[in-house]
Amino acid sequence: QLQLQESGPGLVRPSETLSLSCTVSGASISSDDSCWGWIRQSPGKGLEWIGSIRSGGRTYYNPSLKSRVTTSIDTPKNQFSLQLRSVTAADTAVYFCARLAVSTREFDFWGQGTLVSVSS
Amino acid sequence: QSALTQPPSASGSPGQSVTISCTGTSSDVGGYDFVSWYQHHPDKAPKLIIYGVTKRPSGVPDRFSGSKSGNTASLTVSGLQAEDEADYYCSSYGGSDNFVVFGGGTKVTVL
Repeated sequence: QLQLQESGPGLVRPSETLSLSCTVSGASISSDDSCWGWIRQSPGKGLEWIGSIRSGGRTYYNPSLKSRVTTSIDTPKNQFSLQLRSVTAADTAVYFCARLAVSTREFDFWGQGTLVSVSS
Repeated sequence: QSALTQPPSASGSPGQSVTISCTGTSSDVGGYDFVSWYQHHPDKAPKLIIYGVTKRPSGVPDRFSGSKSGNTASLTVSGLQAEDEADYYCSSYGGSDNFVVFGGGTKVTVL
């Protein structure tokens, strides 16, 4: 069974870079043109797609966050990562990683989520 | 990127049905059969309940069904049960420039 687990600091200072990793178990992150993504939920708000990365390295970003986001894949560690630069309090959220089914474009497996607070 | 439009809330008594709409445009919902729905209980991971507009993943009860007409997709929960009380989100592929777009979410209350 595919499992995903987010990890990273729970507190980031304003203007700094938020960095999270997602460790995948039960499947190779580089198999069969797989696609992986990051989604967040700010307090009291809905789900917001941040970005996705395919196993070959092609990336897709939410246009509203594109200037601050980078995603990458670490094949030996079977992980993918998120960097969000110049964070503000508005970036405080629960961050989820998930697998995106390439053929039908749904997130079929999710991590449990990790809360990241932006505060000085 | 504009979110898909969902009603903020919906409710029904146990055993009744509730239908949630998800309105987009011809560039997302109306343009592709890549609409999915997620059930989200607080402090848990969202759960995929419908993909490809109408398909149910293994293990999802057939009380959950999806459909689409034009630019609007719908999720129907039949035979409401207490455990169906949750937030529900739709999502659609929106082309290479709008790879994934979510709706604002609908809170379903079982009365």
